[in-house]
Amino acid sequence: SYELTQPPSVSVPPGQTARITCSGDALPKQYAYWYQQKPGQAPVLVIYKDSERPSGIPGRFSGSSSGTTVTLTISGVQAEDEADYYCQSADSSGTNYVFGTGTKVTVL
Amino acid sequence: EVELVQSGAEVKKPGESLKISCKGSAYTFTTFWIGWVRQMPGKGLEWMGIIYPGDSDTRYSPSFQGQVTISADKSINTAYLHWSSLKASDTAMYFCATLVVEGGYFNYWGQGTPLTVSS
Repeated sequence: SYELTQPPSVSVPPGQTARITCSGDALPKQYAYWYQQKPGQAPVLVIYKDSERPSGIPGRFSGSSSGTTVTLTISGVQAEDEADYYCQSADSSGTNYVFGTGTKVTVL
Repeated sequence: EVELVQSGAEVKKPGESLKISCKGSAYTFTTFWIGWVRQMPGKGLEWMGIIYPGDSDTRYSPSFQGQVTISADKSINTAYLHWSSLKASDTAMYFCATLVVEGGYFNYWGQGTPLTVSS
């Protein structure tokens, strides 16, 4: 089955930049989406269609895509950004959705 | 604002059946597909399946096909996730979410229903 691979963890001092990658063979063909999940809460969409930001999401969140890898960038990380982040996309057929393995962002 | 409200926490025994619910409000229920997502304790998100409330067209992840049943009643703006025989490995948090099919992403989420299956 199709898989999206993320690093298990990323640590960054406050004010610095966090970059989270997500790799998958179908990413050149399918859009990627990013969700933030804080403990005990439901996920929240922070990036859609690779690089678009929903209303209400701070401008420090951005997304990019290159080949089989997409990247979520958090510029000027704040303590409140400490959370788990998941990428999500579809397989090459577009009929099965899949979440990435998840990355825990720790603000040092 | 779109809201999805899920049914409350459940504690069940192996072999029992269960149906949990997800009620939508503040939008036309047939605007979006509804998806179900599992999160096992300390683990990541897993897509289980989706349903279109307008005609109950349903698609399952290969990992969950035959393990659960997804249904919907558009007359009461509610989607369901059903197990006929629970296993301890079904212990997890279950989220419903609206799916934007054109993009293939989940834009609004319910608060989650925790399920514990234990003898």
